[in-house]
Amino acid sequence: SQKIEQNSEALNIQEGKTATLTCNYTNYSPAYLQWYRQDPGRGPVFLLLIRENEKEKRKERLKVTFDTTLKQSLFHITASQPADSATYLCALELGSGYSTLTFGKGTMLLVSP
Amino acid sequence: GAVVSQHPSRVICKSGTSVKIECRSLDFQATTMFWYRQFPKQSLMLMATSNEGSKATYEQGVEKDKFLINHASLTLSTLTVTSAHPEDSSFYICSARDWAEAEKLFFGSGTQLSVL
Repeated sequence: SQKIEQNSEALNIQEGKTATLTCNYTNYSPAYLQWYRQDPGRGPVFLLLIRENEKEKRKERLKVTFDTTLKQSLFHITASQPADSATYLCALELGSGYSTLTFGKGTMLLVSP
Repeated sequence: GAVVSQHPSRVICKSGTSVKIECRSLDFQATTMFWYRQFPKQSLMLMATSNEGSKATYEQGVEKDKFLINHASLTLSTLTVTSAHPEDSSFYICSARDWAEAEKLFFGSGTQLSVL
């Protein structure tokens, strides 16, 4: 069966450090992968999308890598801040068009001052 | 980015009553909207895909007679939880795509439903 795995344990880091979150998937060949941020009691907010032919994507302090051989994406937040504390979800879509997104459970990031 | 408005944000109801949740795309037209449910510390689970002017497509295991979806216009989709029971208590979130940014999903702020 198709599966998306994110570390279920919360990641605790100190302010200023780089946070690295992992998303592994099996039995998919996604055309692209997305990362979302979700705050408690709120809907997810889109952060970044990376396509299968891209190895790395950056946006301000965010960086995403995508290794289709390892079936893994890494999500980095550099110079982390307490305001970055949230749950980060990865999501996959199977192909082009408007097929539905499947989400991982998310990893909670806690950045302490 | 596009804005999706969802109301109410929180509702408490008695068992056996029906609850309607509204999802609106504020600055774009959404021919397709998606309804998700999320239990604490769990992933978003797609319940159904709502298509403007036609019947919704429900995911396996989701009762279409219990979760009524209506997408009567290009900016409004509603989810009605009929005869709600405590096990229906959950966080319900709608989302939509803006054709201009078709790959992204824009989410509403969610509705926390508590059935007593």
